[in-house]
Amino acid sequence: GIQVEQSPPDLILQEGANSTLRCNFSDSVNNLQWFHQNPWGQLINLFYIPSGTKQNGRLSATTVATERYSLLYISSSQTTDSGVYFCAVSLLSGNTPLVFGKGTRLSVIA
Amino acid sequence: ETGVTQSPTHLIKTRGQQVTLRCSSQSGHNTVSWYQQALGQGPQFIFQYYREEENGRGNFPPRFSGLQFPNYSSELNVNALELDDSALYLCASSQQRGNTGELFFGEGSRLTVL
Repeated sequence: GIQVEQSPPDLILQEGANSTLRCNFSDSVNNLQWFHQNPWGQLINLFYIPSGTKQNGRLSATTVATERYSLLYISSSQTTDSGVYFCAVSLLSGNTPLVFGKGTRLSVIA
Repeated sequence: ETGVTQSPTHLIKTRGQQVTLRCSSQSGHNTVSWYQQALGQGPQFIFQYYREEENGRGNFPPRFSGLQFPNYSSELNVNALELDDSALYLCASSQQRGNTGELFFGEGSRLTVL
């Protein structure tokens, strides 16, 4: 099955700093989503981005499908950005489920 | 627009018991997927329902079963609970069959098996 690798596994930032989270995947995909899991467990949709670049406020994401990676940028981080960020993909071929990486745990300290 | 809702939010069961978790899909969505998330791990796909029929299943034993109703809400049933079934169970809905469309998740049901 498809492999999804996220890096770094853990990240500690000072408030106001910028960061880049990476997601590598092993095959061609037709769906790629970034989620933020809050402390209560809910997965919040950040981006639906199988290809291209999108921006939403302080967050932006880029997926280079041909090179099988996606990047999530967080600028001017805030303590409320803390939590786990997941990348999830599904294969281009076949009826395959959304497969999640192991996540990046982000801690933003004041 | 109503989002994905799940119930109950928390529950405690003992080994060997049975549990039913419920999910109401987002308005206009006809596909529901269930995921299990163990502590410190990413969510793992259990199965998906599209218009009341199972449309794909992950590597989970038959004691994990589900239903989807005509209004597209769904249930996840787990029989003969084991300690390792303790996890956060997440439901997601989407407008498209399969996984090409964007999935939206509920807040989850946290199950503890003692």
